[in-house]
Amino acid sequence: SQQGEEDPQALSIQEGENATMNCSYKTSINNLQWYRQNSGRGLVHLILIRSNEREKHSGRLRVTLDTSKKSSSLLITASRAADTASYFCATAPNSGNTPLVFGKGTRLSVIA
Amino acid sequence: DAGVIQSPRHEVTEMGQEVTLRCKPISGHNSLFWYRQTMMRGLELLIYFNNNVPIDDSGMPEDRFSAKMPNASFSTLKIQPSEPRDSAVYFCASSTADTQYFGPGTRLTVL
Repeated sequence: SQQGEEDPQALSIQEGENATMNCSYKTSINNLQWYRQNSGRGLVHLILIRSNEREKHSGRLRVTLDTSKKSSSLLITASRAADTASYFCATAPNSGNTPLVFGKGTRLSVIA
Repeated sequence: DAGVIQSPRHEVTEMGQEVTLRCKPISGHNSLFWYRQTMMRGLELLIYFNNNVPIDDSGMPEDRFSAKMPNASFSTLKIQPSEPRDSAVYFCASSTADTQYFGPGTRLTVL
């Protein structure tokens, strides 16, 4: 069953703009991760944020986590056409080698 | 590093036939996960292994599905007999800690 719900389902922006995607989840977590999937490819890990962290940065990516609201956001700054992909949040109830529960994703289109 | 390797990349078969999907995890990773992705249901966990031992197979749809991991470098997911509703992309992922590394997937079409 789906744990995360991404919002919006689809997002279209111009190159250079910022893209924000949101994720809500239902149960307590150890960490939340964001993955990217290009069309016809596997998922690629982008960033992980633990339940005791509130914000994390990696290059043009910024992730926030609000455990009181059970929500997270992924911000991609200065978007590029190559950022066009589907983005998924995934939650882990425990640390270590446990299955992830994925949302249905946000389809991001960056128009050059 | 070659990453997670899956074969075949595409499989088209007829209803009732047996299908075997294969996965080679990243060397040194001790956990392996099988997921299925469809438009309607998104990404769903089917089964996962820790140190070659199946830990949770509650996501396996029914007895037609079975998975094995005979050693640390190989796993199979078998569907017998296959049905049109099994059409999906099947992903294998491996991990050694929190982050999972996905293979390119097998796109299965059952006619």
